[in-house]
Amino acid sequence: RKEVEQDPGPFNVPEGATVAFNCTYSNSASQSFFWYRQDCRKEPKLLMSVYSSGNEDGRFTAQLNRASQYISLLIRDSKLSDSATYLCVVNAPYGGATNKLIFGTGTLLAVQP
Amino acid sequence: GAGVSQSPSNKVTEKGKDVELRCDPISGHTALYWYRQSLGQGLEFLIYFQGNSAPDKSGLPSDRFSAERTGGSVSTLTIQRTQQEDSAVYLCASRPGKVAYNSPLHFGNGTRLTVT
Repeated sequence: RKEVEQDPGPFNVPEGATVAFNCTYSNSASQSFFWYRQDCRKEPKLLMSVYSSGNEDGRFTAQLNRASQYISLLIRDSKLSDSATYLCVVNAPYGGATNKLIFGTGTLLAVQP
Repeated sequence: GAGVSQSPSNKVTEKGKDVELRCDPISGHTALYWYRQSLGQGLEFLIYFQGNSAPDKSGLPSDRFSAERTGGSVSTLTIQRTQQEDSAVYLCASRPGKVAYNSPLHFGNGTRLTVT
């Protein structure tokens, strides 16, 4: 089983739609969770961290479910500019070190006019 | 302020040659990461440094790959006897590390390696 798994998509949605991505992780000791965004041929950039109680940033909402070991990202009122690959990132404690960060393969979102 | 700097931005090399990729992290960031991304693929974890030490080298694809970090700053990733399957974008990232484990990664622009 991969350490971090995502549905690769693509998700093709019309402008204004609500879209949700899920990500599962295998290491129950993971403590840090993030969503990154990567535009074509660019480096990944942080979209938002994911906190235990869930958190919201404008149109974006992130949730964490530790019992089921998944995190989610909800995008409301999709914009054309939201088209990108969304990467789930989880830390994977290893031998007492906690800073190893593993990326999922990403979910491609294409927002259509 | 200055972000993560990687050099070269592009490297074309012949199969069998050695290459060295450089990463200059954000000043004061103790944690430094190397990933690689093949065309259309996700980010593959290679190695990370906490200060000058690498707690986990399990991501290095083969013994042709090595990395070091000196002075808690610049890191070099060396690939010996390059193969065509090594062609990818090599991304370096840094973050404060021990300060807050929830601190985000800051990525450089990457080095695009092409092995012919």
